Amino acid sequence: AQSVTQPDIHITVSEGASLELRCNYSYGATPYLFWYVQSPGQGLQLLLKYFSGDTLVQGIKGFEAEFKRSQSSFNLRKPSVHWSDAAEYFCAVGFYSGGGADGLTFGKGTHLIIQP
Amino acid sequence: NAGVTQTPKFRVLKTGQSMTLLCAQDMNHEYMYWYRQDPGMGLRLIHYSVGEGTTAKGEVPDGYNVSRLKKQNFLLGLESAAPSQTSVYFCASRPGQGENLKKETQYFGPGTRLLVL
Repeated sequence: AQSVTQPDIHITVSEGASLELRCNYSYGATPYLFWYVQSPGQGLQLLLKYFSGDTLVQGIKGFEAEFKRSQSSFNLRKPSVHWSDAAEYFCAVGFYSGGGADGLTFGKGTHLIIQP
Repeated sequence: NAGVTQTPKFRVLKTGQSMTLLCAQDMNHEYMYWYRQDPGMGLRLIHYSVGEGTTAKGEVPDGYNVSRLKKQNFLLGLESAAPSQTSVYFCASRPGQGENLKKETQYFGPGTRLLVL
């Protein structure tokens, strides 16, 4: 069965500093990989996604993520965080087997705190 | 184009009561999903539908039933609510057709917060 691990439950970063959120996955086939962000009391907003091609993908709000097959990782990065980036971040793996099981498996999330 | 909408936004139930959560999407998506979100657990898939008239179980289906009578609507029912079903429920949909990544991307509703006393 597929699984997603986000090792950091909380991360605190100073405003203007760089950010990296870690995500490791376990999946038998080529994964569809996603990063979503959730602000308090809100729904989920898609930041970026990957399936194939260039392993460095660009997303919204200045975020990027790099897929490393050898490490089964899909880490999210931002060169300079803003106070408005404070939120919960979820990594997810999509399993779409064309007639079999379907859906997203989420990590448990990383809570990002921005220090002034 | 409202995207994915959920009704109601918030509800309080007593143990044993029943209710139905409604999810509607106006994007003509084939696939629809129900997830629940609990603190420290991320989101977990309850049920999903790959098309009108079809439903399937996800990771945590017990205590829930679903129906997809119309393509644009996906209903989640609780026949006899339990305190363990206190959660935030999210609906999502995806196209299922078209080029890769676009067809596989799920779009989420704003959520329904449910409290079972």
